[in-house]
Amino acid sequence: DADVTQTPRNRITKTGKRIMLECSQTKGHDRMYWYRQDPGLGLRLIYYSFDVKDINKGEISDGYSVSRQAQAKFSLSLESAIPNQTALYFCATRSEGGSEQYFGPGTRLTVT
Amino acid sequence: AQSVTQLGSHVSVSEGALVLLRCNYSSSVPPYLFWYVQYPNQGLQLLLKYTSAATLVKGINGFEAEFKKSETSFHLTKPSAHMSDAAEYFCAVSKSSSNTGKLIFGQGTTLQVKP
Repeated sequence: DADVTQTPRNRITKTGKRIMLECSQTKGHDRMYWYRQDPGLGLRLIYYSFDVKDINKGEISDGYSVSRQAQAKFSLSLESAIPNQTALYFCATRSEGGSEQYFGPGTRLTVT
Repeated sequence: AQSVTQLGSHVSVSEGALVLLRCNYSSSVPPYLFWYVQYPNQGLQLLLKYTSAATLVKGINGFEAEFKKSETSFHLTKPSAHMSDAAEYFCAVSKSSSNTGKLIFGQGTTLQVKP
């Protein structure tokens, strides 16, 4: 089984809808991250969390919110989706003291 | 502020030829550097990382990279390309002194391998 899972893997939604992307991990890591990937721009950090009480904004947090329900779960919400939020979204984890991040398989979101 | 520049959004090589993917970084503090690979419809997989030990780093699948502080570079190489190496490659940097572990990614380079 994968260490970092994301649901759904694909989602098409309409402008103005609220949508939640979920991430779960079995690695026991305390640090979790949400990125979006756009062609030609690489990955950009949306939010990150050190534990359930520690949430931090990344470089492109506008229009997004997150919830850390447990150490193993980190959800990303789009309160009112807009077409320019169409992208590939990745969740990642890292252990305290570790250097590398471990990525989930991604969620492809299309906002029409 | 940190930044990463990958020179060339697309690189095409013949099977068996040398692979060279370029990455230059900017960092005011000693960096950690990473190369990730993304195969079609998959997440990112770590190829190799530099964390202030040996400057020549060997990774998976025959890839290696050399940290050159004077050139602020961390180029990825492989002596002989395989068809299975076709993928998108990302260079990333983080601050070695940072507890957040935030990664700054380059724009990505798509590697095409021709038969």
